[in-house]
Amino acid sequence: AQSVTQLDSHVSVSEGTPVLLRCNYSSSYSPSLFWYVQHPNKGLQLLLKYTSAATLVKGINGFEAEFKKSETSFHLTKPSAHMSDAAEYFCVVSEGVLTGTASKLTFGTGTRLQVTL
Amino acid sequence: DTGVSQDPRHKITKRGQNVTFRCDPISEHNRLYWYRQTLGQGPEFLTYFQNEAQLEKSRLLSDRFSAERPKGSFSTLEIQRTEQGDSAMYLCASNYRGQDEQFFGPGTRLTVL
Repeated sequence: AQSVTQLDSHVSVSEGTPVLLRCNYSSSYSPSLFWYVQHPNKGLQLLLKYTSAATLVKGINGFEAEFKKSETSFHLTKPSAHMSDAAEYFCVVSEGVLTGTASKLTFGTGTRLQVTL
Repeated sequence: DTGVSQDPRHKITKRGQNVTFRCDPISEHNRLYWYRQTLGQGPEFLTYFQNEAQLEKSRLLSDRFSAERPKGSFSTLEIQRTEQGDSAMYLCASNYRGQDEQFFGPGTRLTVL
């Protein structure tokens, strides 16, 4: 069974400072991992994905994440936060493509990112 | 931009009433998924379709819930005899068979009074 733990429910940073959102996963297989972002009153948007290629994954809006199998982690980072980054971020795992079943997504509980001036 | 669309965006109903939501996936996608998101939680998988066949249902999907995708295009999710615990955001997503990421609609927010 697959699961995801987001270690922080809320992170607050100042504009222009680095962002770190932490995620640990559990999976019986080599999983696909994603980060999605949810802005208020908007749908979930894919930030980036890892699917067994390069371990350092670059996404949209300057975000990136590093897959570390030994630590079962997939932390999301950004060098410099912007006010527009304030949103809810979800770490997500899927085993489906590799097991031949539907790519059912398992979400973490989310991390709310607050960006202050 | 023909992304995933959902209708209605908001629904307020009284306990015991039936409600139906609609999802239109991205046109060439053959898989369609329903998720439920309660306040402060991540979305949870409910069910998915490949074309018109419903292939998996979560234990979260009680017998008051039914989903259809009659022609392999749009899908409906019906909740009968709604309860206050059904209040949530209902999300629809779609993708191709074999594609891992899913594309989400804006959701339908249900409030049961």
